[in-house]
Amino acid sequence: KQEVTQIPAALSVPEGENLVLNCSFTDSAIYNLQWFRQDPGKGLTSLLLIQSSQREQTSGRLNASLDKSSGRSTLYIAASQPGDSATYLCAVRWLFNSGGSNYKLTFGKGTLLTVNP
Amino acid sequence: GAGVSQSPRYKVAKRGQDVALRCDPISGHVSLFWYQQALGQGPEFLTYFQNEAQLDKSGLPSDRFFAERPEGSVSTLKIQRTQQEDSAVYLCASSGGTSGLADTQYFGPGTRLTVL
Repeated sequence: KQEVTQIPAALSVPEGENLVLNCSFTDSAIYNLQWFRQDPGKGLTSLLLIQSSQREQTSGRLNASLDKSSGRSTLYIAASQPGDSATYLCAVRWLFNSGGSNYKLTFGKGTLLTVNP
Repeated sequence: GAGVSQSPRYKVAKRGQDVALRCDPISGHVSLFWYQQALGQGPEFLTYFQNEAQLDKSGLPSDRFFAERPEGSVSTLKIQRTQQEDSAVYLCASSGGTSGLADTQYFGPGTRLTVL
């Protein structure tokens, strides 16, 4: 079964710390992987998209890496700020889906990040 | 438009009522997705449209759920005879390109459905 797992489920850090969020997936035959941010009561905001041929993507203080062979991705946040507090979701689009098309995203349950001032 | 919009933002229904949730995708986006997000969980795929064609409905939990996109733009997700387990946030996303395979999905704010 194609599954996405995120650890930890929740993380609390003081402002200014660098931190890493982890995502693992069960099937290495992925098309791409996306990291999203979700604020309470809001929809999802795409942060980074990594194609299967790429190893990492960077945007500002965010860096996402992808290791298909081990089925892992990490989201690195540098110099965290209170405004970074949100739930971070990892989503995978696989090359093949046994139950349907390969257009859909399969999400993890997310990591709730709290950055304390 | 500037982004994906959804209406209503909140919906309270009595068990057994029918509800209709609307999604306005980003103008020109070919692909449209519906997801269901239960409290404390990640979104789960419901269905996918490419223009007006519903190419994948494998995630719809029962035949009480029906989605349409008749003109290839606005989409409606209808839930008949709502039950308490249908309570969730329903998210709509759209993406550009003919296949949608490589494009980022842009999400709307969601509709929070509460079934009493």
